[in-house]
Amino acid sequence: EVQLLESGGGLVQPGGSLRLSCAASGFTFSSYAMSWVRQAPGKGLEWVSTISGSGGSTYYTDSVKGRFTISRDNSKNTLFLQMNSLRVEDTAMYYCAKGPYSSSPILFDCWGQGTLVTVSS
Amino acid sequence: EIVLTQSPGTLSLSPGERATLSCRASQSVSSRYLAWYQQKPGQAPRLLIYGASNRATGIPDRFSGSGSGTDFTLTISRLEPEDLAVYYCQQYGSSPVTFGPGTKVDIK
Repeated sequence: EVQLLESGGGLVQPGGSLRLSCAASGFTFSSYAMSWVRQAPGKGLEWVSTISGSGGSTYYTDSVKGRFTISRDNSKNTLFLQMNSLRVEDTAMYYCAKGPYSSSPILFDCWGQGTLVTVSS
Repeated sequence: EIVLTQSPGTLSLSPGERATLSCRASQSVSSRYLAWYQQKPGQAPRLLIYGASNRATGIPDRFSGSGSGTDFTLTISRLEPEDLAVYYCQQYGSSPVTFGPGTKVDIK
């Protein structure tokens, strides 16, 4: 059974940093693209970033380019999202999601339960 | 960027009724790369349909998807109480991938 467990969320001041992690199990982690998708409170879904199975290709939505960095450790079956220069509008539940392919197209066939990031002074 | 519009915003139906949800794209979605997700209250989203009409693993056959180009439909043939959820469409044929705003399905 595929399992994705996010951690690392919390309360941070504007301009601060957080590092999210997603521990994966139940599948061959290095064979699949992994993504972060966020959902602001009471709002819809927004794709944030994707990394290919090998880690060689990364993709970002425009609003986080230059501030967020996605990475993965295939030896530890773990996905990361380093978030710097956080803004109030980054407040959201952040979901880790697995894709059915090693790279594109970007689709999400399994989701974690999410970790909440709150950016506030 | 492809903008997705979903209608109606809210659908209120009784158990056993048929639900028809619409997703319209601002540009043609290439290769029918259109997916549908279900998000129940307090839960993470779940993939229902990919490639416009292919059911994901474990999804009941009362859920079906259709459409191409700019117009897509999710049909729930016989609503059950557990279908109470928000349903999102997503296009993954062009970058950036985008989601629609969602349709909330209420069960009377």
